[in-house]
Amino acid sequence: GAVVSQHPSWVICKSGTSVKIECRSLDFQATTMFWYRQFPKQSLMLMATSNEGSKATYEQGVEKDKFLINHASLTLSTLTVTSAHPEDSSFYICSSLAGGPNGDNEQFFGPGTRLTVL
Amino acid sequence: QKEVEQNSGPLSVPEGAIASLNCTYSDRGSQSFFWYRQYSGKSPELIMSIYSNGDKEDGRFTAQLNKASQYVSLLIRDSQPSDSATYLCAVSDTFGNEKLTFGTGTRLTIIP
Repeated sequence: GAVVSQHPSWVICKSGTSVKIECRSLDFQATTMFWYRQFPKQSLMLMATSNEGSKATYEQGVEKDKFLINHASLTLSTLTVTSAHPEDSSFYICSSLAGGPNGDNEQFFGPGTRLTVL
Repeated sequence: QKEVEQNSGPLSVPEGAIASLNCTYSDRGSQSFFWYRQYSGKSPELIMSIYSNGDKEDGRFTAQLNKASQYVSLLIRDSQPSDSATYLCAVSDTFGNEKLTFGTGTRLTIIP
């Protein structure tokens, strides 16, 4: 199946700093990527849909000025958490649509980035 | 507000037995249904997808969908310790794997 990578896999930062997370599709072109957040013992919550060459679509309740998404190429989307605070500590996961082994469109998930804000 | 409900568990099943995981969803217009497996600290991986009423089998896994009851389930036959994980039910209102709404997951433990 398609491979999606994320970098970094984990990051610890001080409160008030900004953190950039990269999501790359390694062997396919991704017009659309999704960004999720998962708090401990909770499910994945979709934050935004990232579209190559256009503005991201944010879900209700997600601050677009705090979570900046850039999808400048068909293989790279970035999520920047600006002025991070301890409550932003979470597991951030990206995914991308690609053809699955059964011919269906499938979301392939990156390995995730664990963000800890001190 | 679209909701996907799962029993959080934990669900403990002896090795070799059948594990049964259940999921209900609120949006009657939902078209696509998925089961993901998530190991602790890892991202989800797709186990099964199902789009029409009835059963769909893939190896030891069987997905069952009943749109009238807004219910989807996953059966795991011959459970193995490696099946121990959190299983996430996800629903989409399109015929595809776009914009998924996830349940909170059921934690499954297979007891050797």
